[in-house]
Amino acid sequence: KNQVEQSPQSLIILEGKNCTLQCNYTVSPFSNLRWYKQDTGRGPVSLTIMTFSENTKSNGRYTATLDADTKQSSLHITASQLSDSASYICVVSGSPGGSQGNLIFGKGTKLSVKP
Amino acid sequence: DTGVSQDPRHKITKRGQNVTFRCDPISEHNRLYWYRQTLGQGPEFLTYFQNEAQLEKSRLLSDRFSAERPKGSFSTLEIQRTEQGDSAMYLCASSPPGVERFKTEAFFGQGTRLTVV
Repeated sequence: KNQVEQSPQSLIILEGKNCTLQCNYTVSPFSNLRWYKQDTGRGPVSLTIMTFSENTKSNGRYTATLDADTKQSSLHITASQLSDSASYICVVSGSPGGSQGNLIFGKGTKLSVKP
Repeated sequence: DTGVSQDPRHKITKRGQNVTFRCDPISEHNRLYWYRQTLGQGPEFLTYFQNEAQLEKSRLLSDRFSAERPKGSFSTLEIQRTEQGDSAMYLCASSPPGVERFKTEAFFGQGTRLTVV
């Protein structure tokens, strides 16, 4: 069964600290993996997208890694800011036209950054 | 604004009433997705269109739910005889044709929050 599992479910850190969020998937075939940030009450916004041939992608203070062999990804946030408080959702894409219209979502990690 | 647009942003309805939501995707995006998201959960897939064709429907989409995309542009999601369990955020996303198959990005709207009382 195609699944995306994220950990931890929630995380509280102090402003200025770094953190790493994890994503494990069992989607096959694999097309790409995306990380989205979702503020409360808003739609998800894309942070990074990586194909199987890419093992790292950065977007400002966000760095995503991908190990296609172990089917694991991580999202590292550097020097966290209060505005980083949000849910971070890992989404894996199978082949176009495949199950669930190609996008399989994790449940997200809720990050709270405290002053 | 050239992003995905959803209307309304919020809807409060009485149990048993019908509601209809609209999604306007990014121009020239041929793929359109509907998701439902409850508090503290990730989005759950409901249905997927490629142009006007509805290619996939989740088991979550009961007989009370129907989605259309008649001209391959905007889409509507209708819920008939609403129940309290239908209360959720309904998200729409669109993505461009898969010319570069491995980099088709999906862009989300702001969602419609439905509250059934």
